[in-house]
Amino acid sequence: KNEVEQSPQNLTAQEGEFITINCSYSVGISALHWLQQHPGGGIVSLFMLSSGKKKHGRLIATINIQEKHSSLHITASHPRDSAVYICAVESYNTDKLIFGTGTRLQVFP
Amino acid sequence: EADIYQTPRYLVIGTGKKITLECSQTMGHDKMYWYQQDPGMELHLIHYSYGVNSTEKGDLSSESTVSRIRTEHFPLTLESARPSHTSQYLCASSAITGNSPLHFGNGTRLTVT
Repeated sequence: KNEVEQSPQNLTAQEGEFITINCSYSVGISALHWLQQHPGGGIVSLFMLSSGKKKHGRLIATINIQEKHSSLHITASHPRDSAVYICAVESYNTDKLIFGTGTRLQVFP
Repeated sequence: EADIYQTPRYLVIGTGKKITLECSQTMGHDKMYWYQQDPGMELHLIHYSYGVNSTEKGDLSSESTVSRIRTEHFPLTLESARPSHTSQYLCASSAITGNSPLHFGNGTRLTVT
């Protein structure tokens, strides 16, 4: 079992829909990152969380430390949101990043 | 706006060649990382550094080396490229202080023929 698991692996949506991507982890962490990777492109950091909730534009990220779970929400989705969304945790013990396998999102007009 | 730069963006070379992938950042970050990513797959840590003259091996480090002589520069060298090295190589950096966001370069897409 992977230490960081994301669901779903693949997600398709119509423009305007509300999107939720989930991340569960099994290790103690000091922080959790949500990253976005467009096809053929580099990786952009969306959020870094250690508790609570953060919002940036149409994106919202939440984390529940007790349940070892985080969610990334996209409101009013748009085709330009199509990308791979990656959850990564900083291990409290090793200080290393552990990556999930990513969620591939496609938003159709 | 890229504050972390990788060159070359694309590279095609023959088997057995020695190559160096360059990574530089202008943010004064102490932590730097090299990751390998195959298409559609997760990132794998190759090497990392927490400061000048500090380098550590990751999960896939056995066939490559790195150096950290200057804070801003973290080159990755493959001594003898093989077709199995064909992949995308991503460099990243972050500040040494806790809970610092990651900054990624645009990657180097390497093909070994």
